[in-house]
Amino acid sequence: GQQLNQSPQSMFIQEGEDVSMNCTSSSIFNTWLWYKQDPGEGPVLLIALYKAGELTSNGRLTAQFGITRKDSFLNISASIPSDVGIYFCAGLSGNQFYFGTGTSLTVIP
Amino acid sequence: GAVVSQHPSWVICKSGTSVKIECRSLDFQATTMFWYRQFPKQSLMLMATSNEGSKATYEQGVEKDKFLINHASLTLSTLTVTSAHPEDSSFYICSARQGWSTEAFFGQGTRLTVV
Repeated sequence: GQQLNQSPQSMFIQEGEDVSMNCTSSSIFNTWLWYKQDPGEGPVLLIALYKAGELTSNGRLTAQFGITRKDSFLNISASIPSDVGIYFCAGLSGNQFYFGTGTSLTVIP
Repeated sequence: GAVVSQHPSWVICKSGTSVKIECRSLDFQATTMFWYRQFPKQSLMLMATSNEGSKATYEQGVEKDKFLINHASLTLSTLTVTSAHPEDSSFYICSARQGWSTEAFFGQGTRLTVV
């Protein structure tokens, strides 16, 4: 199935730094979702976006639905050690969710 | 928020045996459930989509006779790995969607090790 391109693939940052990652697709989506996966666990939904241009926050996380509807961005401000994990974007098209390749985040205390 | 419970969280089985994994939506009716396989440090690979009361739709390359999916009720879907082999060892995750909701919620995943 279709897979979304997510970048960067991995990030190593100092605690307190801000993080940005993005997700791009060749297709248009009407819904973008961002998930976080801890090791050995299933992904947990962080933010859902429903409208082009929409900017939504969840605590220190902010995500944006790109105007072209082919991309989305996730920012994490003032990172902390528990932000460590793999972040996945997902686009919804019809009855199907398409997932990004993932961004692995390591936060150095 | 919506809760999806997957069981067991890990299982070790002998080669040639079958293993059943359950996925339950605890506080909503899951009209659609998805089964994924995930290899280490990789993204989620969709195996099949199941709608309650109908046959699952398998992705290309996924053997339907090997990975049996049953979605008999609006709160339960099962994945049975039949005649498991070591190459079937992986992390299997389910997710569930209510109606035409634009969100899907994941189970905790099942680590399958075939020895």
